[in-house]
Amino acid sequence: ETGVTQTPRHLVMGMTNKKSLKCEQHLGHNAMYWYKQSAKKPLELMFVYNFKEQTENNSVPSRFSPECPNSSHLFLHLHTLQPEDSALYLCASSLGENFDEKLFFGSGTQLSVL
Amino acid sequence: AQKVTQAQTEISVVEKEDVTLDCVYETRDTTYYLFWYKQPPSGELVFLIRRNSFDEQNEISGRYSWNFQKSTSSFNFTITASQVVDSAVYFCALKDMAAGNKLTFGGGTRVLVKP
Repeated sequence: ETGVTQTPRHLVMGMTNKKSLKCEQHLGHNAMYWYKQSAKKPLELMFVYNFKEQTENNSVPSRFSPECPNSSHLFLHLHTLQPEDSALYLCASSLGENFDEKLFFGSGTQLSVL
Repeated sequence: AQKVTQAQTEISVVEKEDVTLDCVYETRDTTYYLFWYKQPPSGELVFLIRRNSFDEQNEISGRYSWNFQKSTSSFNFTITASQVVDSAVYFCALKDMAAGNKLTFGGGTRVLVKP
């Protein structure tokens, strides 16, 4: 079983749909992250949660809404997305939010917005 | 502001050739960390190495080696005797004090190893 699991692996949605991405980590980590990877831009940090509290929102549009009910689970709720939001969304975790922490990534959700 | 540049977008080699991936970074801090991650076709980024700014010793791990040069702000990565399984996208990344917990990634270098 991989340390960080993301579901679904692929998602196609219309601009008026509401969907959620799920991430679960089995590593006992306390910090979780959402990253966006698109073809035209480097990996972009979206949100950071540490001990269930949001510690970073990297100016992400409100159509992306994160939720972290506990240290093991992280969700990204999506609504009224735009085609330019199509990308690979990666979840990651780390032991804590220390400066030198290495991240453990999931395989991502490939999102297509039609 | 912090920045990571990976000038090579794609490198194609034949198996058993060596390949070097360039990484140049910018930071105003004296304390920072540099990372390399590998992203195979399956999608997840896999941690390869972490280096802090006070440790310029080069490192070798099996067929992988890293050359950290503060004088040129570079942290290059070499794969010796490449194998097909090395085909992936490789990302260099930087964390510095000014950015807090934000990991700044380079654009990545896609390595294609042909049999």
